[in-house]
Amino acid sequence: GDSVTQMEGPVTLSEEAFLTINCTYTATGYPSLFWYVQYPGEGLQLLLKATKADDKGSNKGFEATYRKETTSFHLEKGSVQVSDSAVYFCALLSGNTPLVFGKGTRLSVIA
Amino acid sequence: NAGVTQTPKFQVLKTGQSMTLQCAQDMNHNSMYWYRQDPGMGLRLIYYSASEGTTDKGEVPNGYNVSRLNKREFSLRLESAAPSQTSVYFCASSDATSSGNTIYFGEGSWLTVV
Repeated sequence: GDSVTQMEGPVTLSEEAFLTINCTYTATGYPSLFWYVQYPGEGLQLLLKATKADDKGSNKGFEATYRKETTSFHLEKGSVQVSDSAVYFCALLSGNTPLVFGKGTRLSVIA
Repeated sequence: NAGVTQTPKFQVLKTGQSMTLQCAQDMNHNSMYWYRQDPGMGLRLIYYSASEGTTDKGEVPNGYNVSRLNKREFSLRLESAAPSQTSVYFCASSDATSSGNTIYFGEGSWLTVV
């Protein structure tokens, strides 16, 4: 079945450091790919998405490019802030099946 | 903008007790979902409803029942709570399960079974 694998955390970075969180997927067909973010004590919010190969999703300085050849959707940000501390989830949506999530990566940014 | 509203936010149950988590969305979405979130496990789908009047099992349905009361509301019931059901529960909705649509989440319900 469809699945998402993302790097295990926690990831701890200093403010203004470069962030990469790896995400790879397995799916039949041509899924849409998402990154969700969960701040402490809150639900999940959509951060960005890409619906076809080579699309780049971007939001709040975060970017991810849908790479069909490597089945990847890595999340990047050039300069993280303390306010980016959260748990990040990679997810895919394929056909008529519900959203499938990775296990989440906790990011802590220290000043 | 209420979005997806779920209640209660916090609940403590004794083993064997029953309870219902309520969820309502005001976005006129067809599809609704219940997920549970456990440390190191990410989000796992319990049940979903692709449209009013239909429900389907997800990855971890055992010990739960659901009711799609109408288009707005989708409740999750624990008939006989067990400590293994201690978790954070999220309700979500979307306007379709087809590719490209966004799922919106409620703020979560923290459930502890002692």
